Amino acid sequence: DQQVKQNSPSLSVQEGRISILNCDYTNSMFDYFLWYKKYPAEGPTFLISISSIKDKNEDGRFTVFLNKSAKHLSLHIVPSQPGDSAVYFCAASSYQNTGNQFYFGTGTSLTVIP
Amino acid sequence: KAGVTQTPRYLIKTRGQQVTLSCSPISGHRSVSWYQQTPGQGLQFLFEYFSETQRNKGNFPGRFSGRQFSNSRSEMNVSTLELGDSALYLCASSPDRGRNTIYFGEGSWLTVV
Repeated sequence: DQQVKQNSPSLSVQEGRISILNCDYTNSMFDYFLWYKKYPAEGPTFLISISSIKDKNEDGRFTVFLNKSAKHLSLHIVPSQPGDSAVYFCAASSYQNTGNQFYFGTGTSLTVIP
Repeated sequence: KAGVTQTPRYLIKTRGQQVTLSCSPISGHRSVSWYQQTPGQGLQFLFEYFSETQRNKGNFPGRFSGRQFSNSRSEMNVSTLELGDSALYLCASSPDRGRNTIYFGEGSWLTVV
């Protein structure tokens, strides 16, 4: 049972425009969320996190929004650059876990067109 | 600071064999977790170790096992390999007890033939 879903397998965006990647979750006990970027043949690279006490977190060109009532989070990349082309994963963790057990979505492949 | 190091990077095994993968966490990190990535499945949690103790375990059969040493280095073992075990195995480390951002290594690509 996939508790974290990324329903868009792929997304194409023009360079300089905004990229919006979406993630939905089903477990209401998830309260800590991470986004990763992954290039082929490399491990995932951490981008940005958000905990449920916030609804927004920014880091440079990356902003994550959390809508707890909708169980939805999104990652905004502004402006998008060709180097942002990669697969993006969202991950969630439950406050029931004492450690670092994360549930991942299946990823969205972003292509930024020059 | 060196990142998470995984060895070997690539390996090919025959069905029925067993395999051991190694992970050295970021210096000072005491939590090590393992994930399996297969096409279309995202990353699936295998297990997490902290201070040489398994703290969490995912939904994988007993053929998948792991351990952590006193220097926080970790190994995972898969016995009686099946074709479906072909995957990218990722190790991640994080600083301390409790929930934190996890940082991944490059992964070990396992192909079972």
